[in-house]
Amino acid sequence: GAGVSQTPSNKVTEKGKYVELRCDPISGHTALYWYRQSLGQGPEFLIYFQGTGAADDSGLPNDRFFAVRPEGSVSTLKIQRTERGDSAVYLCASSLDIAPPANEQFFGPGTRLTVL
Amino acid sequence: AQKVTQAQTEISVVEKEDVTLDCVYETRDTTYYLFWYKQPPSGELVFLIRRNSFDEQNEISGRYSWNFQKSTSSFNFTITASQVVDSAVYFCALSGVIQGAQKLVFGQGTRLTINP
Repeated sequence: GAGVSQTPSNKVTEKGKYVELRCDPISGHTALYWYRQSLGQGPEFLIYFQGTGAADDSGLPNDRFFAVRPEGSVSTLKIQRTERGDSAVYLCASSLDIAPPANEQFFGPGTRLTVL
Repeated sequence: AQKVTQAQTEISVVEKEDVTLDCVYETRDTTYYLFWYKQPPSGELVFLIRRNSFDEQNEISGRYSWNFQKSTSSFNFTITASQVVDSAVYFCALSGVIQGAQKLVFGQGTRLTINP
């Protein structure tokens, strides 16, 4: 079946602009996660959703970052007033449930964001 | 706080050699999960293994094997008879079992290059 998909695959924007990154999870997966991977680093947790609600947003770096999942499926990560330091690959993952053993996370290919 | 350390930034070996990737972790949890992921050049994280901290048995899957030693907080990964297709960045990760089960904490990754 289809895996996690993310659009766009690449996004180049200018400092100060607003961007939206989209994630389509695996069908039937109730949990959805966002991570950020800077060059040469491991992914860092940003936020996760159980259904429509953000269950843990402790990894969001500041209030310029916001994510939604209005219908419990597709999620959008929104970044306001982008800064050069926001440049990274943004990874999305989904899992069948949040509780082990069904919480194995399946990752998408990521969106590479470049802020000029 | 949880932390994963992969001290080897890059490893380069010749095809058919055995190679071990080191992973050391820190956690205050008494139960936790450990993971290994592979990230090929395409960028998508591929799940390799998950181990529960209760289970210290070593595991073998084809050319891959994992050595979990709770006494030294290590979860090392060995590839036997390496192949060029094994070239990728490999990440070790840690999560809670109940609290924090949804948040993967990754190491910085080890870039493995297998030369023909």
